[in-house]
Amino acid sequence: GQQVMQIPQYQHVQEGEDFTTYCNSSTTLSNIQWYKQRPGGHPVFLIQLVKSGEVKKQKRLTFQFGEAKKNSSLHITATQTTDVGTYFCAGPRGKLIFGQGTELSVKP
Amino acid sequence: GAGVSQSPSNKVTEKGKDVELRCDPISGHTALYWYRQRLGQGLEFLIYFQGNSAPDKSGLPSDRFSAERTGESVSTLTIQRTQQEDSAVYLCASSQNMGQRYGGYTFGSGTRLTVV
Repeated sequence: GQQVMQIPQYQHVQEGEDFTTYCNSSTTLSNIQWYKQRPGGHPVFLIQLVKSGEVKKQKRLTFQFGEAKKNSSLHITATQTTDVGTYFCAGPRGKLIFGQGTELSVKP
Repeated sequence: GAGVSQSPSNKVTEKGKDVELRCDPISGHTALYWYRQRLGQGLEFLIYFQGNSAPDKSGLPSDRFSAERTGESVSTLTIQRTQQEDSAVYLCASSQNMGQRYGGYTFGSGTRLTVV
């Protein structure tokens, strides 16, 4: 079945450093979604990408969807302690299939 | 309602007992999903509903797990004869429809189930 793989599993950065998480699908995706889950919280929808090669920005966050629509990335510029959490990508197969997530920790 | 509501927020049960978890989706959301998240792990799909039918039950781990939904409203996930490996956070989410082009899921805060 469809799998969505995410790397790295964990990332520890110093505050102010950049962070990137990568998402790869075994099949072409009609769209990809990204979620953030704060420690002890529930996943919160961040963004959806639909078009091949699409790039979207939300303040310090940049989301990309690959040309082949099989991979995606989330880049955070100049991380802050408020960025701490686990970032999940998810692709649709009827329901959403979630990657295993990348846990980001930020040292002040 | 304004968000997805789940109850109880925490449940401790003895091994072998049955539990019922409740999810109240956002009003007007026709699609409802149940996921399970073990500690430090990703989201494991269990089942989804479109209206009150369940087109995909493929994620239910065993016949001890069942779910139902009344109309386009409340859903209950029932786990019979609970086992320790059932301990996890059970997350419910809803969306306007199954068309994935129309935005993301809204998750509830989850029910943390502990089987002792």
